[in-house]
Amino acid sequence: AQTVTQSQPEMSVQEAETVTLSCTYDTSESDYYLFWYKQPPSRQMILVIRQEAYKQQNATENRFSVNFQKAAKSFSLKISDSQLGDAAMYFCAYLNSGGSNYKLTFGKGTLLTVNP
Amino acid sequence: GAGVSQSPRYKVAKRGQDVALRCDPISGHVSLFWYQQALGQGPEFLTYFQNEAQLDKSGLPSDRFFAERPEGSVSTLKIQRTQQEDSAVYLCASSWDRSYEQYFGPGTRLTVT
Repeated sequence: AQTVTQSQPEMSVQEAETVTLSCTYDTSESDYYLFWYKQPPSRQMILVIRQEAYKQQNATENRFSVNFQKAAKSFSLKISDSQLGDAAMYFCAYLNSGGSNYKLTFGKGTLLTVNP
Repeated sequence: GAGVSQSPRYKVAKRGQDVALRCDPISGHVSLFWYQQALGQGPEFLTYFQNEAQLDKSGLPSDRFFAERPEGSVSTLKIQRTQQEDSAVYLCASSWDRSYEQYFGPGTRLTVT
């Protein structure tokens, strides 16, 4: 079974600075996707960024980028120029794209605080 | 159009009561997922529909949990004889056919007293 591990229950960052959230995963599959989702307090989960395992190039979305290390099964999220609105719970998630069920397997999350 | 909606947003049930949680996916989305999110945890998969067919229910924790999507659109998650351990946020997500991007609803927070 696939597992996703987020070893940092909480992180904090000063506004305008950079923070990196860690994620490792375990799978024997070769075709998969990795995601970072953001869940603000009492608000719904939204997709931040995704990475296809077959792509070597790291995904970027504006201030958000990932460091995907396939051999190490590591998938970290870097948030640059942090803003107050970035404060939220962040979940790393895995999806086996080679199967027939596109269910997501989530880590336990990292609570990010942004200090003004 | 509108996003995924869920109702009710909050539900308090006495232990032993039955509850029904509703999910309205984005129009045209073929796939629909239910997840359970315990306090301080990540969401965990419960069940998956493609149109009206329930293709995977391996995550349902017991036979007290039942989900349906009879017309391939709205889905209902039913929990019979609720227990305290059922207290959680129940998230619904939908996606286009064979798409890897899931859109989540706001969730239903169930509290069993």
